[in-house]
Amino acid sequence: GQQLNQSPQSMFIQEGEDVSMNCTSSSIFNTWLWYKQDPGEGPVLLIALYKAGELTSNGRLTAQFGITRKDSFLNISASIPSDVGIYFCAGHSISTSGTYKYIFGTGTRLKVLA
Amino acid sequence: NAGVTQTPKFQVLKTGQSMTLQCAQDMNHEYMSWYRQDPGMGLRLIHYSVGAGITDQGEVPNGYNVSRSTTEDFPLRLLSAAPSQTSVYFCASSYGADENQPQHFGDGTRLSIL
Repeated sequence: GQQLNQSPQSMFIQEGEDVSMNCTSSSIFNTWLWYKQDPGEGPVLLIALYKAGELTSNGRLTAQFGITRKDSFLNISASIPSDVGIYFCAGHSISTSGTYKYIFGTGTRLKVLA
Repeated sequence: NAGVTQTPKFQVLKTGQSMTLQCAQDMNHEYMSWYRQDPGMGLRLIHYSVGAGITDQGEVPNGYNVSRSTTEDFPLRLLSAAPSQTSVYFCASSYGADENQPQHFGDGTRLSIL
């Protein structure tokens, strides 16, 4: 099935460092979402992007909707230990048959070293 | 608000057994969906529903059935469990299926098929 390419797959960083991850697709999306998943829990929405070029912040998190509508990135500034988890991107897709669905990336696993 | 509630949280089955994973939401959301999460695969859509009485297949529907008799509930049925269905299953819901309606996830059901 169609999936988004998310990178890096995993990263170890020191507390206080900035983090950057991105998501790319061969298809155009009209919406990009970024989720965080803590161990043993479901994904929680961090940021939603609805317009090409849009730059949106949520506290220390900043995400951008790429101009080509085929990519998005998420930055985390001044990382803290509770940032640990898996970060997923998702793009909203409408198939030729009219199916509405979100396509998810494979996730970036973030570990923060205190 | 309870949000999206999934039961059970954990389940172990023998090959060939059947079972139903429950999903309920109290947000009056029209759109509900089921995903499975496997290592390195991200989230893959199994089935979804755009409203009571309407269901459709996602990317990986084989071996699963769904029904939507009420707005609140969207159960997922495994007809004859197979080891390949060992996974973490997430239910999600949103107000609508369009691109401006981010999905909210339950905490997941961890299913092992022996």
